[in-house]
Amino acid sequence: AQSVTQPDIHITVSEGASLELRCNYSYGATPYLFWYVQSPGQGLQLLLKYFSGDTLVQGIKGFEAEFKRSQSSFNLRKPSVHWSDAAEYFCAVGDSGGGADGLTFGKGTHLIIQP
Amino acid sequence: NAGVTQTPKFQVLKTGQSMTLQCAQDMNHNSMYWYRQDPGMGLRLIYYSASEGTTDKGEVPNGYNVSRLNKREFSLRLESAAPSQTSVYFCASSPPAGGPGEQFFGPGTRLTVL
Repeated sequence: AQSVTQPDIHITVSEGASLELRCNYSYGATPYLFWYVQSPGQGLQLLLKYFSGDTLVQGIKGFEAEFKRSQSSFNLRKPSVHWSDAAEYFCAVGDSGGGADGLTFGKGTHLIIQP
Repeated sequence: NAGVTQTPKFQVLKTGQSMTLQCAQDMNHNSMYWYRQDPGMGLRLIYYSASEGTTDKGEVPNGYNVSRLNKREFSLRLESAAPSQTSVYFCASSPPAGGPGEQFFGPGTRLTVL
């Protein structure tokens, strides 16, 4: 069964500093990988996704993520965070077998931005 | 396009009461999903529907039933609510593709069972 681990429950970063959120997955084949962001009281918004091809993917709001097969990781990065980036971030893995099964989510990382 | 809509936004139930959470999407997506979100647990899949007329259990289906009414609508029913079902419920949909594709989420329903 597939699984996702986000090792950091909370991360605090100063505004303007760089950010890296960690995500490790367990899956037998090449997975479909996603990062979602959830602002307080809101639904989930897709930041970026990886299906195949270039292992460095660009997303919205200046985020990027790198797929590293050897490390089973898909870490999210941003060079300079803004106060509006404070939110909950979820990494998710989907089944690349062609089915319509739901995504498996990590437990999330809560990002706090210090002024 | 409204995307994925959910009603109600908030609901308080007493133990044993029943209710139906409604979800609709206007993106002509085939697949629809119901998740629950609990603190520290991320999102967990309750049920999903790959296409109109089909439904399948997810990770945590006990205590829930679903109906895929048509291509647009996918409802979640709690027949006898329990405090353990206090949660935020999200509906999602995804377009037809070789794999799951990205999922589009509704704004959620915050349910409290007393």
